[in-house]
Amino acid sequence: QQQVKQSPQSLIVQKGGISIINCAYENTAFDYFPWYQQFPGKGPALLIAIRPDVSEKKEGRFTISFNKSAKQFSLHIMDSQPGDSATYFCAARGGGSGTYKYIFGTGTRLKVLA
Amino acid sequence: DTGVSQDPRHKITKRGQNVTFRCDPISEHNRLYWYRQTLGQGPEFLTYFQNEAQLEKSRLLSDRFSAERPKGSFSTLEIQRTEQGDSAMYLCASSTAGHNTEAFFGQGTRLTVV
Repeated sequence: QQQVKQSPQSLIVQKGGISIINCAYENTAFDYFPWYQQFPGKGPALLIAIRPDVSEKKEGRFTISFNKSAKQFSLHIMDSQPGDSATYFCAARGGGSGTYKYIFGTGTRLKVLA
Repeated sequence: DTGVSQDPRHKITKRGQNVTFRCDPISEHNRLYWYRQTLGQGPEFLTYFQNEAQLEKSRLLSDRFSAERPKGSFSTLEIQRTEQGDSAMYLCASSTAGHNTEAFFGQGTRLTVV
């Protein structure tokens, strides 16, 4: 119940295309859903985050779509660029009993072809 | 403030030795998290603090691992009697308390046990 399932494991997109990464969760006590971008050898960097009372949030080329009833959320990267090539992690925070820990998905390795 | 700072960035140690890592969070962030990340995996929760109180510790964390945050500012993570399976990236993150908060990660400490 504490898992966050992320797909696909890897993704190849042409420059200018749309990259879509999906995550699903079971625990309805999660209260905050961030996405992180990670380059090799670096720590994860926060990209964008959403709370479950919002169905969509957009920041620049990055959009989170959130479906509370389906317990799913996704990251859309519009106009994908080679510089977006990185590993992306979804996460969910909380999970009941007053905890504020983050549970991470297994990651999606994105490659954007020039 | 330049973000979450971790020291050292890299550590190579012999099996059986003790190691200690330090994390300096963003100023005035009262939540501090420790995560472990192995190659190709998402960050795995170890423990977190709110101020100086350690609020949660992963059941996966053996008693060889201990973390402290004595004055509610910086934190240390110690691994005693290191094993080869401890080789990983150890990540620290911090956030303010509350619901609409964002967690920011440091660059991590890469531990290699030989």
